[in-house]
Amino acid sequence: NAGVTQTPKFQVLKTGQSMTLQCAQDMNHEYMSWYRQDPGMGLRLIHYSVGAGITDQGEVPNGYNVSRSTTEDFPLRLLSAAPSQTSVYFCASKEGRAYEQYFGPGTRLTVT
Amino acid sequence: GDSVTQMEGPVTLSEEAFLTINCTYTATGYPSLFWYVQYPGEGLQLLLKATKADDKGSNKGFEATYRKETTSFHLEKGSVQVSDSAVYFCALSVLNDYKLSFGAGTTVTVRA
Repeated sequence: NAGVTQTPKFQVLKTGQSMTLQCAQDMNHEYMSWYRQDPGMGLRLIHYSVGAGITDQGEVPNGYNVSRSTTEDFPLRLLSAAPSQTSVYFCASKEGRAYEQYFGPGTRLTVT
Repeated sequence: GDSVTQMEGPVTLSEEAFLTINCTYTATGYPSLFWYVQYPGEGLQLLLKATKADDKGSNKGFEATYRKETTSFHLEKGSVQVSDSAVYFCALSVLNDYKLSFGAGTTVTVRA
């Protein structure tokens, strides 16, 4: 199993550009989520999904969109990048009633 | 709401020193508690967990005890190694809530 994979690993965007961060898992997990990691703030939940076709907002959803058309994939879209979105983004997944979440390696995004 | 407060870093230690990282929490339900570790350049990995009061989680020489009376889950290791250099996150989730609430993270550096 590859676990949770994320692409790209690094990305530089200009203000106003759009892009999609990819996340995939091969563990047939129902639950997937996106977090952003900022210094001194831990990880904060952006969006999450409890199954294909179902998504919901987390703590910091503004400026981001998600969709979940398959169990495996959960892409995060930045509609119009802003410098405040410079961060490290982590995707995670877990089985429905399990405690442990599995994290991907992260995407480091810089918006200039 | 649910929140986690953990000891500010950074923490610098010599090899074989004793490590403790304090973590306290507030939660509306009965939380499960976790310590995640992030090694340089990697994603988060679950280090240990405890799902009910007085449980002790342990892994790789690290231990933490779920103390409901003091709402704490302090991480300890008796003799650290250089390979323990990482960022450590305390986190909680409440039953039937998919979200993990993270502390700010504590950076630990162990010197040979």
